[in-house]
Amino acid sequence: LAKTTQPISMDSYEGQEVNITCSHNNIATNDYITWYQQFPSQGPRFIIQGYKTKVTNEVASLFIPADRKSSTLSLPRVSLSDTAVYYCLVGDSPRNTDKLIFGTGTRLQVFP
Amino acid sequence: EAGVTQFPSHSVIEKGQTVTLRCDPISGHDNLYWYRRVMGKEIKFLLHFVKESKQDESGMPNNRFLAERTGGTYSTLKVQPAELEDSGVYFCASSQGFTGELFFGEGSRLTVL
Repeated sequence: LAKTTQPISMDSYEGQEVNITCSHNNIATNDYITWYQQFPSQGPRFIIQGYKTKVTNEVASLFIPADRKSSTLSLPRVSLSDTAVYYCLVGDSPRNTDKLIFGTGTRLQVFP
Repeated sequence: EAGVTQFPSHSVIEKGQTVTLRCDPISGHDNLYWYRRVMGKEIKFLLHFVKESKQDESGMPNNRFLAERTGGTYSTLKVQPAELEDSGVYFCASSQGFTGELFFGEGSRLTVL
């Protein structure tokens, strides 16, 4: 599975838009890009998944350029409750989800 | 609908003892996964069940770990005998089909003294 690189931490303030970029230079043709969120003392929670271009749901947007070597998770108007660790995962999903590889993630801290 | 539940939430045992962790997946989910995070490390895959069959157990660290899913419902993960390096948080997740969306439980924290 492709390895990912993302910033270790980010700070933001309530009401701002937060963009977290993930690099996956070795992404394969069949690989999807999936983002998970994890709060302290909880298991990871699926946020969004995409293959190319842009995907949007009620929580976030995912931007994927044409070369797919990176992706950006966009959180609109963050609140204090968005403080969490965000993981970017790349793998042969949805056909093969049995080896999600979690990197170090990005620790997002939202301030009042 | 109930989510993935794990028991116990925290277990403290001494080195050499045995511990059994239990996971109840979301009803109807055929796929069940075990992951763990040991201190300061990343979340690592352990194994994957499809119903009662082990689809992939390549992440199991050694033969002190035994996972079962009799009847294809709940699963147990037994550590016998436990070692200090087994301390960490063990997560269970389930999914129906292969959508890329796994539903994780809150984890079972294991402390081996």
